[in-house]
Order: sequence, then C-alpha cells, then structure tokens
Amino acid sequence: KAGVTQTPRYLIKTRGQQVTLSCSPISGHRSVSWYQQTPGQGLQFLFEYFSETQRNKGNFPGRFSGRQFSNSRSEMNVSTLELGDSALYLCASSFQSGLNEKLFFGSGTQLSVL
Amino acid sequence: AQKITQTQPGMFVQEKEAVTLDCTYDTSDPSYGLFWYKQPSSGEMIFLIYQGSYDQQNATEGRYSLNFQKARKSANLVISASQLGDSAMYFCAMREDYTGANSKLTFGKGITLSVRP
Repeated sequence: KAGVTQTPRYLIKTRGQQVTLSCSPISGHRSVSWYQQTPGQGLQFLFEYFSETQRNKGNFPGRFSGRQFSNSRSEMNVSTLELGDSALYLCASSFQSGLNEKLFFGSGTQLSVL
Repeated sequence: AQKITQTQPGMFVQEKEAVTLDCTYDTSDPSYGLFWYKQPSSGEMIFLIYQGSYDQQNATEGRYSLNFQKARKSANLVISASQLGDSAMYFCAMREDYTGANSKLTFGKGITLSVRP
C-alpha cells in the first residue's frame, strides 16, 4: 500500500505570491490533516478534512486554506506569502477519527519564502 | 500552559543501550490518547507507540515501551537496545476531548536523540 504522498517536495517562492501544496492520502483513508513545522513554533495544526468537509481548524490566518476532493486527495493553499510562512508542511491521513487512530504522515513539502 | 512538554536537551546513547525520553502533558479531559512519533532527517513522521488514558497496562511495541504515570501526567518513551537508525527527533503528542469529529494532535517541541557506535 502506498504511503502518504506530498508534492512538491521543495518549493521556493517570494513574498506576496501564493502557493498550492498537494497531498494524496493512503488509499481508503478519509481524513486528511495538515501541520506546519518550524524550528521556533514546532508542529502546529492547520486543519483537518474528512469526506470533503473541514472539521477542525487551527489558529492560522485566513491566508491559509484547504480543500479535499471526492477521492480524498487534499490541497492546501497559502495566499500572500510572508517570510514567516517558510516551513515544512506535513500532511497526515487516517482511515477515520478515533482517540487511538494513528496518523500516517507524508515526507512534507519544504516551503521557502524569499 | 503548554499541553505537551519535552524539556530534555539533545540526548546521546551508546548503541545497544536503553534510553528514556521524557514527556509530560497537561489536560483536564479524562479521555485522551498519547502518541510518540519519530522524525528522521528525511522529514516523515513515523508512528511508534500509543497509550490511551484508560489503558491499564503500559503500551509496548517491539523495542519501544511507554512508561505511563497517569497521576504524574507523564508518558516517557523507553527505547531498548538502541540502534544507529534510532538517531532522529522524537515527538510526544496528545489527542484529547475526542467527540468523534476531531483528529488533531498536539505535539511537544521534540527531543533529538543521537546513537553513538
């Protein structure tokens, strides 16, 4: 079974631009979550989608948005990029939600904003 | 207040020895789950072990075990017989207040483990 696939692996953008990151979950998984990882703030939850609906959202500005398609693939968009958006963006999938449900992570997209 | 606290500086362990990575947590929810993930330099987060708040026994997964002390709100990871491939960042995480519609994990800052040959 293929793991969680994130594309692209690396991105370089300039301030003010927008970017779209893609995530393909493990086949059969319906939940997709996104996390931002920076050296200063660590891992922070962005949002979670389940069956195309956003179910939970972290404390990020509206410039960060996402969506999930009918095949469970998800995209994350960041508009009007700022230097502080430079981070590793990790996508995670799970079959369903549950207290003991483990998340399977992709290798991430490393975004650099210049 | 931080929900997950990992305060150890970079840890070093000799190959084949055991090592304990500390994690304390803060929650008022009686129902919660605790996870440990490993992140090698490749970036991918790898699940290691899970402990539920109502589990009576400490979780074990191969060379990994979790020393769960509920009253002290600690969930320390024990790695036995360390291997060179264990060198990585280790994150403790918690899922709380599960209502059936939330899979959010709250992570600690992580601990860097280096295994010496």
